[in-house]
Amino acid sequence: AQSVSQHNHHVILSEAASLELGCNYSYGGTVNLFWYVQYPGQHLQLLLKYFSGDPLVKGIKGFEAEFIKSKFSFNLRKPSVQWSDTAEYFCAVSVSGSARQLTFGSGTQLTVLP
Amino acid sequence: NAGVMQNPRHLVRRRGQEARLRCSPMKGHSHVYWYRQLPEEGLKFMVYLQKENIIDESGMPKERFSAEFPKEGPSILRIQQVVRGDSAAYFCASSPMGTSYEQYFGPGTRLTVT
Repeated sequence: AQSVSQHNHHVILSEAASLELGCNYSYGGTVNLFWYVQYPGQHLQLLLKYFSGDPLVKGIKGFEAEFIKSKFSFNLRKPSVQWSDTAEYFCAVSVSGSARQLTFGSGTQLTVLP
Repeated sequence: NAGVMQNPRHLVRRRGQEARLRCSPMKGHSHVYWYRQLPEEGLKFMVYLQKENIIDESGMPKERFSAEFPKEGPSILRIQQVVRGDSAAYFCASSPMGTSYEQYFGPGTRLTVT
Protein backbone atom coordinates (compact mmCIF):
# COMPACT_ATOMS: atom_id res chain seq x y z
CA ALA A 1 0.00 0.00 0.00
CA GLN A 2 1.17 3.49 -0.72
CA SER A 3 1.96 6.10 1.93
CA VAL A 4 2.65 9.83 1.90
CA SER A 5 4.93 11.80 4.20
CA GLN A 6 4.86 15.51 4.80
CA HIS A 7 7.74 16.26 7.08
CA ASN A 8 6.88 19.85 7.95
CA HIS A 9 3.91 19.98 10.28
CA HIS A 10 3.91 23.73 10.77
CA VAL A 11 5.72 26.34 8.74
CA ILE A 12 5.79 30.02 9.63
CA LEU A 13 6.94 32.57 7.05
CA SER A 14 6.86 36.29 6.56
CA GLU A 15 5.15 37.76 3.54
CA ALA A 16 7.29 37.71 0.37
CA ALA A 17 9.36 34.78 1.63
CA SER A 18 9.76 31.76 -0.62
CA LEU A 19 7.97 28.54 0.21
CA GLU A 20 8.85 24.92 -0.27
CA LEU A 21 6.77 22.17 1.33
CA GLY A 22 8.08 18.64 1.16
CA CYS A 23 6.09 15.61 0.09
CA ASN A 24 7.46 12.09 -0.31
CA TYR A 25 5.52 9.01 -1.21
CA SER A 26 6.24 5.34 -1.16
CA TYR A 27 4.95 3.25 -4.02
CA GLY A 28 6.88 1.45 -6.72
CA GLY A 29 4.44 1.89 -9.59
CA THR A 30 2.91 4.75 -11.54
CA VAL A 31 1.15 7.35 -9.43
CA ASN A 32 -0.93 10.46 -9.78
CA LEU A 33 0.06 13.30 -7.48
CA PHE A 34 -1.95 16.15 -6.01
CA TRP A 35 -1.67 19.11 -3.72
CA TYR A 36 -4.81 20.30 -1.98
CA VAL A 37 -5.25 23.41 0.16
CA GLN A 38 -7.71 23.99 2.96
CA TYR A 39 -8.21 27.63 3.94
CA PRO A 40 -9.60 28.29 7.42
CA GLY A 41 -13.25 27.28 7.56
CA GLN A 42 -13.33 26.10 3.96
CA HIS A 43 -13.27 22.80 2.15
CA LEU A 44 -10.34 21.20 0.38
CA GLN A 45 -9.48 22.77 -2.96
CA LEU A 46 -7.26 21.31 -5.63
CA LEU A 47 -4.10 23.39 -6.08
CA LEU A 48 -2.40 21.34 -8.75
CA LYS A 49 -2.02 17.83 -10.09
CA TYR A 50 0.46 15.64 -11.92
CA PHE A 51 -0.54 12.68 -14.06
CA SER A 52 2.24 12.45 -16.64
CA GLY A 53 4.46 14.55 -18.90
CA ASP A 54 6.36 17.63 -17.77
CA PRO A 55 7.41 17.01 -14.16
CA LEU A 56 7.14 20.72 -13.36
CA VAL A 57 3.50 21.45 -12.79
CA LYS A 58 1.96 24.88 -12.39
CA GLY A 59 -1.21 25.34 -10.39
CA ILE A 60 -3.46 28.10 -9.22
CA LYS A 61 -2.43 31.16 -7.22
CA GLY A 62 1.21 31.03 -8.30
CA PHE A 63 1.96 27.59 -6.87
CA GLU A 64 4.04 25.00 -8.65
CA ALA A 65 5.32 21.53 -7.84
CA GLU A 66 8.07 19.35 -9.20
CA PHE A 67 7.82 15.59 -9.52
CA ILE A 68 11.20 13.91 -9.02
CA LYS A 69 10.64 10.25 -9.68
CA SER A 70 14.05 9.13 -8.43
CA LYS A 71 13.36 10.76 -5.08
CA PHE A 72 9.69 9.81 -4.88
CA SER A 73 9.02 13.47 -4.17
CA PHE A 74 6.47 16.08 -5.20
CA ASN A 75 7.44 19.27 -3.41
CA LEU A 76 5.24 22.35 -3.50
CA ARG A 77 6.81 25.75 -4.13
CA LYS A 78 5.85 29.39 -4.33
CA PRO A 79 8.44 32.12 -4.87
CA SER A 80 6.69 34.78 -2.76
CA VAL A 81 3.95 33.97 -0.25
CA GLN A 82 1.14 36.26 0.80
CA TRP A 83 -0.79 36.50 4.04
CA SER A 84 -3.78 34.98 2.20
CA ASP A 85 -1.78 31.77 1.65
CA THR A 86 -2.22 30.92 5.32
CA ALA A 87 -3.87 27.52 5.18
CA GLU A 88 -3.28 23.81 5.58
CA TYR A 89 -1.69 22.04 2.65
CA PHE A 90 -2.14 18.36 1.88
CA CYS A 91 -0.19 16.21 -0.51
CA ALA A 92 -2.05 13.20 -1.92
CA VAL A 93 -1.31 10.24 -4.13
CA SER A 94 -3.43 7.83 -6.11
CA VAL A 95 -2.29 4.79 -8.00
CA SER A 96 -2.75 4.90 -11.75
CA GLY A 97 -5.18 2.34 -13.03
CA SER A 98 -8.49 1.34 -11.60
CA ALA A 99 -7.81 2.29 -7.98
CA ARG A 100 -9.02 5.81 -7.32
CA GLN A 101 -8.65 6.31 -3.63
CA LEU A 102 -6.41 9.17 -2.53
CA THR A 103 -3.80 8.61 0.13
CA PHE A 104 -3.11 11.84 1.98
CA GLY A 105 -0.19 13.10 3.95
CA SER A 106 -0.83 14.45 7.43
CA GLY A 107 -0.80 18.04 6.20
CA THR A 108 1.37 21.12 6.70
CA GLN A 109 -0.06 24.17 8.41
CA LEU A 110 1.37 27.30 6.78
CA THR A 111 1.15 30.56 8.66
CA VAL A 112 2.19 33.70 6.80
CA LEU A 113 2.88 36.70 8.97
CA PRO A 114 1.94 40.09 7.52
CA ASN B 1 -22.19 25.16 -11.02
CA ALA B 2 -22.84 23.86 -7.52
CA GLY B 3 -20.02 22.00 -5.87
CA VAL B 4 -20.19 18.93 -3.70
CA MET B 5 -22.83 19.42 -1.02
CA GLN B 6 -22.74 17.81 2.38
CA ASN B 7 -25.23 18.00 5.19
CA PRO B 8 -25.43 18.51 7.98
CA ARG B 9 -22.28 20.56 8.48
CA HIS B 10 -22.25 19.81 12.18
CA LEU B 11 -23.81 16.83 13.88
CA VAL B 12 -23.88 16.04 17.57
CA ARG B 13 -24.84 12.58 18.71
CA ARG B 14 -24.82 10.82 22.07
CA ARG B 15 -23.01 7.53 22.40
CA GLY B 16 -25.15 4.70 21.04
CA GLN B 17 -27.14 6.84 18.61
CA GLU B 18 -27.00 6.65 14.84
CA ALA B 19 -25.40 9.25 12.59
CA ARG B 20 -26.41 9.78 8.98
CA LEU B 21 -24.22 11.94 6.78
CA ARG B 22 -25.35 13.00 3.32
CA CYS B 23 -23.40 13.88 0.23
CA SER B 24 -24.65 15.19 -3.10
CA PRO B 25 -21.94 15.01 -5.77
CA MET B 26 -21.26 17.69 -8.32
CA LYS B 27 -23.62 17.70 -11.27
CA GLY B 28 -22.53 15.11 -13.80
CA HIS B 29 -20.31 13.23 -11.35
CA SER B 30 -21.04 9.57 -10.81
CA HIS B 31 -18.22 8.61 -8.45
CA VAL B 32 -18.38 9.37 -4.74
CA TYR B 33 -15.71 8.91 -2.09
CA TRP B 34 -15.85 9.26 1.66
CA TYR B 35 -12.87 10.23 3.80
CA ARG B 36 -12.45 10.70 7.54
CA GLN B 37 -10.16 13.17 9.22
CA LEU B 38 -9.40 12.47 12.85
CA PRO B 39 -7.96 15.26 15.02
CA GLU B 40 -4.31 16.03 14.15
CA GLU B 41 -4.34 13.56 11.25
CA GLY B 42 -4.69 13.70 7.49
CA LEU B 43 -7.67 12.42 5.57
CA LYS B 44 -8.10 8.66 5.44
CA PHE B 45 -10.00 6.94 2.65
CA MET B 46 -13.09 5.03 3.70
CA VAL B 47 -15.15 3.98 0.70
CA TYR B 48 -15.61 4.55 -3.03
CA LEU B 49 -19.04 4.20 -4.61
CA GLN B 50 -20.72 4.52 -7.94
CA LYS B 51 -24.46 4.61 -8.39
CA GLU B 52 -25.91 1.54 -6.63
CA ASN B 53 -22.47 -0.06 -6.29
CA ILE B 54 -19.75 -0.13 -3.69
CA ILE B 55 -16.50 -0.28 -5.64
CA ASP B 56 -13.94 -0.20 -2.83
CA GLU B 57 -14.68 -0.28 0.90
CA SER B 58 -11.19 -1.22 2.04
CA GLY B 59 -11.01 1.77 4.39
CA MET B 60 -14.32 1.21 6.15
CA PRO B 61 -14.31 -0.07 9.73
CA LYS B 62 -15.70 -3.59 9.75
CA GLU B 63 -18.56 -2.87 12.10
CA ARG B 64 -21.16 -0.12 12.52
CA PHE B 65 -20.23 1.76 9.33
CA SER B 66 -22.06 1.47 6.02
CA ALA B 67 -22.40 3.55 2.88
CA GLU B 68 -24.73 3.68 -0.06
CA PHE B 69 -25.21 5.70 -3.22
CA PRO B 70 -28.71 4.97 -4.51
CA LYS B 71 -29.92 5.49 -8.02
CA GLU B 72 -31.78 8.58 -6.86
CA GLY B 73 -30.72 10.90 -4.10
CA PRO B 74 -27.52 11.58 -2.20
CA SER B 75 -24.89 9.21 -0.96
CA ILE B 76 -25.32 8.31 2.70
CA LEU B 77 -22.65 7.38 5.21
CA ARG B 78 -24.29 5.71 8.17
CA ILE B 79 -22.67 5.10 11.53
CA GLN B 80 -24.61 2.98 13.97
CA GLN B 81 -24.16 3.04 17.74
CA VAL B 82 -21.63 5.87 17.63
CA VAL B 83 -18.75 5.98 20.09
CA ARG B 84 -16.51 8.87 21.13
CA GLY B 85 -13.79 7.66 18.78
CA ASP B 86 -16.09 8.34 15.82
CA SER B 87 -15.81 12.09 16.47
CA ALA B 88 -14.14 13.44 13.35
CA ALA B 89 -14.66 15.43 10.18
CA TYR B 90 -16.14 13.34 7.38
CA PHE B 91 -15.48 14.55 3.87
CA CYS B 92 -17.17 13.51 0.68
CA ALA B 93 -15.59 13.93 -2.74
CA SER B 94 -16.84 13.29 -6.25
CA SER B 95 -15.32 12.79 -9.66
CA PRO B 96 -16.73 12.40 -13.15
CA MET B 97 -16.87 9.21 -15.17
CA GLY B 98 -13.90 8.30 -17.27
CA THR B 99 -10.22 8.40 -16.48
CA SER B 100 -10.11 11.62 -14.50
CA TYR B 101 -8.54 11.07 -11.12
CA GLU B 102 -9.38 14.52 -9.82
CA GLN B 103 -11.63 14.56 -6.82
CA TYR B 104 -13.65 17.57 -5.74
CA PHE B 105 -14.38 17.86 -2.06
CA GLY B 106 -17.36 19.00 -0.09
CA PRO B 107 -17.19 21.15 3.05
CA GLY B 108 -17.35 18.17 5.36
CA THR B 109 -19.55 17.12 8.26
CA ARG B 110 -18.08 17.52 11.71
CA LEU B 111 -19.44 14.76 13.93
CA THR B 112 -19.17 15.16 17.67
CA VAL B 113 -20.10 12.25 19.91
CA THR B 114 -20.87 13.20 23.50
